[in-house]
Amino acid sequence: GAGVSQSPSNKVTEKGKDVELRCDPISGHTALYWYRQSLGQGLEFLIYFQGNSAPDKSGLPSDRFSAERTGGSVSTLTIQRTQQEDSAVYLCASSLSRLNAEAFFGQGTRLTVV
Amino acid sequence: DQQVKQNSPSLSVQEGRISILNCDYTNSMFDYFLWYKKYPAEGPTFLISISSIKDKNEDGRFTVFLNKSAKHLSLHIVPSQPGDSAVYFCAASMNYGGSQGNLIFGKGTKLSVKP
Repeated sequence: GAGVSQSPSNKVTEKGKDVELRCDPISGHTALYWYRQSLGQGLEFLIYFQGNSAPDKSGLPSDRFSAERTGGSVSTLTIQRTQQEDSAVYLCASSLSRLNAEAFFGQGTRLTVV
Repeated sequence: DQQVKQNSPSLSVQEGRISILNCDYTNSMFDYFLWYKKYPAEGPTFLISISSIKDKNEDGRFTVFLNKSAKHLSLHIVPSQPGDSAVYFCAASMNYGGSQGNLIFGKGTKLSVKP
């Protein structure tokens, strides 16, 4: 499709399990962002990839969180040993380049940790 | 500490009237500002943006104003329509300087437009 695609759309997992969330950005977009939105909160920045540069990981809340972007395209956000406070909607976005901050968002993955 | 602040969590406006959504920022290095609109269960969608070299940008019913000295921007929607009811997020970026390229978002303002 033409937009940012995220999978799964919903994920329920048990506390302590690992989860992987996937993002397919818009073809040709070099910048990719991960955000999360907890209930009643705004968009919290997690990590940002730009081309071949080292990612900006400054928003990752703990070392249980990591992300990769393979081949400058698809990205995977991994949360290890999930906790209940990890429950949120995880949003991925992409933009043409660092100089174009107009990012297009996917519909998000709703993660529920029980 | 929040770098982008939307101090009004909600706003209710009558259809046909003007909606004014406000946003304040603390980092003077921000040079590009955006507004996003979000419906429930959907990702945010880009609405309008403004570069720091401008003080106004208009697109149809939507106008964004930037006051750099006050570190304040606002989104005006006129006339407001019931379909505008959504959560509006303000975002800022350092596009042309600094090492950051990510978007920093405010917590959003929920706009309700009543028929």
